[in-house]
Order: sequence, then C-alpha cells, then structure tokens
Amino acid sequence: DQQVKQNSPSLSVQEGRISILNCDYTNSMFDYFLWYKKYPAEGPTFLISISSIKDKNEDGRFTVFLNKSAKHLSLHIVPSQPGDSAVYFCAASPDYGSGNTGKLIFGQGTTLQVKP
Amino acid sequence: DGGITQSPKYLFRKEGQNVTLSCEQNLNHDAMYWYRQDPGQGLRLIYYSQIVNDFQKGDIAEGYSVSREKKESFPLTVTSAQKNPTAFYLCASSWDAKKGAFFGQGTRLTVV
Repeated sequence: DQQVKQNSPSLSVQEGRISILNCDYTNSMFDYFLWYKKYPAEGPTFLISISSIKDKNEDGRFTVFLNKSAKHLSLHIVPSQPGDSAVYFCAASPDYGSGNTGKLIFGQGTTLQVKP
Repeated sequence: DGGITQSPKYLFRKEGQNVTLSCEQNLNHDAMYWYRQDPGQGLRLIYYSQIVNDFQKGDIAEGYSVSREKKESFPLTVTSAQKNPTAFYLCASSWDAKKGAFFGQGTRLTVV
C-alpha cells in the first residue's frame, strides 16, 4: 500500500525552463512534507519542506505547492540547471507532531534530467 | 566536520551469512534510522531508535536486527533470514524537525 506516490519515474527538461515534479499521498492525516534530492550512490539531501498549514513554500529556485484537498504536492524548479539532474523524492512525515521527524514515508522518486 | 559515517561503502557477502553495517554519527543527534532503497523504489524504513538502548521496528524489519548501546552508533545486522538482502542501505539521524532526516552516504550490500 503506497501511501506516497510519484507517478512519473522520469522527467526531462531544457536548461532554463521550469521543472515540475509531482507527488500524491493517500493519508489525510499527514501534516508535513519534504523533498529530497539524491545522486547515485549517495544519501539523499534535504531540499525543501512544507507544513500542511501552508499551501506554498519558496526557497530560491525551489517552490513547493501543497493542495490538501487533492492530497497533492508539487516541486517547481525555476530556472532548471544541469546540476539539478538527480532523483527527487517526495516524503511525508507521519510522526511530525510527536517529534519523530526522521521517520519518513517516501515516494518512489522521479529522475530529473536537465539538458544543456 | 560533523556527519554520519557508514562503512564500508560496498560490501559483498555470501548467501546465508549474517553481515553488520556500521553507522556512526558525531552530530549529537538522539534519533537514528535505517532505510533501505531498492532500484526504482523509494526508501523504506527498517528500524529506528529515538534514544540509547531503545529501538522500534519500521515497515520492513523482518530479517534485520539493530542495537543502540551508544548515542553515536546504530549498527544494522542483515541476517540470513532476510530473503532479499541485496540493496542500498542508508543510515540517518534526525537533526531538525523541518528538515526530516540527515543521511549518510550509504552502503551497497550485494549478496551472492
């Protein structure tokens, strides 16, 4: 039972354009979401997060949007750069309220390729 | 520099042997986690520990064991009972509520 889903295994965009990565979740009790970036043979690194009390969070070129009614979030990267090429994981933090914030439920990941 | 050290980076074992993956952190974080990644899949939680001498099963704990005798160390043993042990194993600690988990560089275990 996949509680967090990233239905697009891969995405290819041109340098300078917008990259939009999508994520859906099934549990309406989730109240905190995160995006991680991962290179091959390395651990994921934190990118950006959003609380369910917000619908948008922005950090430089990265913006995360949350649509609670649709149980959907998306990560926008503008402008995309070749160095952004990596696997992006969406994650939900089911125990955020209790402080067990490293316990995460991950989506399958989307491989982003940004072409020069 | 503070961080999480996983060793070794690559590990090969014969089927039927137990193997222990090391995870050490000098970040003074209380909580530590083990995740497993398989090709085309997200990370799945194996075990976690929120405090020394205490740990809980994650979603896929069968065939694994852990210990937490020291705050800095959280080793994972992959036992012969684990049916599909070949995977990329990631250790993490919890550092900032808004940033979730801080990950090590991972250990790729191959069982032949």
